[in-house]
Amino acid sequence: NAGVTQTPKFRVLKTGQSMTLLCAQDMNHEYMYWYRQDPGMGLRLIHYSVGEGTTAKGEVPDGYNVSRLKKQNFLLGLESAAPSQTSVYFCASRRPGQGFQPQHFGDGTRLSIL
Amino acid sequence: DQQVKQNSPSLSVQEGRISILNCDYTNSMFDYFLWYKKYPAEGPTFLISISSIKDKNEDGRFTVFLNKSAKHLSLHIVPSQPGDSAVYFCAASGNNAGKSTFGDGTTLTVKP
Repeated sequence: NAGVTQTPKFRVLKTGQSMTLLCAQDMNHEYMYWYRQDPGMGLRLIHYSVGEGTTAKGEVPDGYNVSRLKKQNFLLGLESAAPSQTSVYFCASRRPGQGFQPQHFGDGTRLSIL
Repeated sequence: DQQVKQNSPSLSVQEGRISILNCDYTNSMFDYFLWYKKYPAEGPTFLISISSIKDKNEDGRFTVFLNKSAKHLSLHIVPSQPGDSAVYFCAASGNNAGKSTFGDGTTLTVKP
């Protein structure tokens, strides 16, 4: 039972390069989320999705794009990486419904932009 | 303006004693509050939650208290164990696509 799997776990990019972070969940969850966590700070929502084919902006969406072509996958793209995007990125998923449904997180992708 | 605040970045307690982690929020529209625990190099994992219509929820060694009038909640861990050493995040959510707003976290260290 894998839960939420993030690929890759680590990556170093040069400024201006592009890349895609992959999130896959095997729990048949409708809702999926991408967060970033910077040192000493909490998780900030980048983008989220409430179902296959839908996406919406979160708190800090600038510089990122997302796609949810399949229910189990949620992709986060950086078109032109900037040093300010150096962070740890977490993906999460949960069932729809009342707010006490917890989010299930992957183990993160550590991204460094030089 | 930060809607969920954990004002103590760190807390150190002795094994066997009580750990109390605090969280304040500003948005009265939040309906649910959740605590997550995070170990280094891992993702957060759900610990315990409470609905805004309750003032206490207990699960084993973990109890969460909610004071709605003060917009304050706290997580009590009794007795504390070295394995509880982790970062604890407070999160609040309403009925909006399950989105949660997280605090900055409190690093708990339980000394043997």
